[in-house]
Amino acid sequence: GENVEQHPSTLSVQEGDSAVIKCTYSDSASNYFPWYKQELGKRPQLIIDIRSNVGEKKDQRIAVTLNKTAKHFSLHITETQPEDSAVYFCAATVYSSASKIIFGSGTRLSIRP
Amino acid sequence: SQTIHQWPATLVQPVGSPLSLECTVEGTSNPNLYWYRQAAGRGLQLLFYSVGIGQISSEVPQNLSASRPQDRQFILSSKKLLLSDSGFYLCAWSVPGLAGNEQFFGPGTRLTVL
Repeated sequence: GENVEQHPSTLSVQEGDSAVIKCTYSDSASNYFPWYKQELGKRPQLIIDIRSNVGEKKDQRIAVTLNKTAKHFSLHITETQPEDSAVYFCAATVYSSASKIIFGSGTRLSIRP
Repeated sequence: SQTIHQWPATLVQPVGSPLSLECTVEGTSNPNLYWYRQAAGRGLQLLFYSVGIGQISSEVPQNLSASRPQDRQFILSSKKLLLSDSGFYLCAWSVPGLAGNEQFFGPGTRLTVL
């Protein structure tokens, strides 16, 4: 089955700097890669996603890149702000009727003022 | 618009007691439904998923079970809780589709087993 690895587990950056979170996946049939943000005590919410036919996607300060050959994808947050502090999860979905999402272990991002 | 409900929001149960958590979705038909567990400070572990009424797939062996008695209702149960069952239980739904779609999470149930 699919396995998603995520690094680093914790990340602390100065406000205004960039943050990068990296993930790898094992199943070459995976075709949809969402990123979720979870604030303390709350539900995860989608912040950006990318499909396997696209190499890069950007939404304001957030961007995701996908390298299908190497089976890795990354989240980039630029000009970080205090409200970016949260746990971020990458995930991969295999092409199937169930659309199962397998999540990485999460990255706790802290923004230093 | 679609909404997803979970109850109860919090629950404290003794070891060995039964469990029933309920999840309902409004505003959509024939959704894929999912149960996840999140241990404190940890990631999201997929427990069960369902693509239709009465169709349940289990991802990990455990003392939990799931049922889908109606199209938009998903129930997580246990006959005897263990200490290790403590965690944040999240229900989610997605639009069925082979290409993969966003999963929308419910507000969660925080379960403490003592």
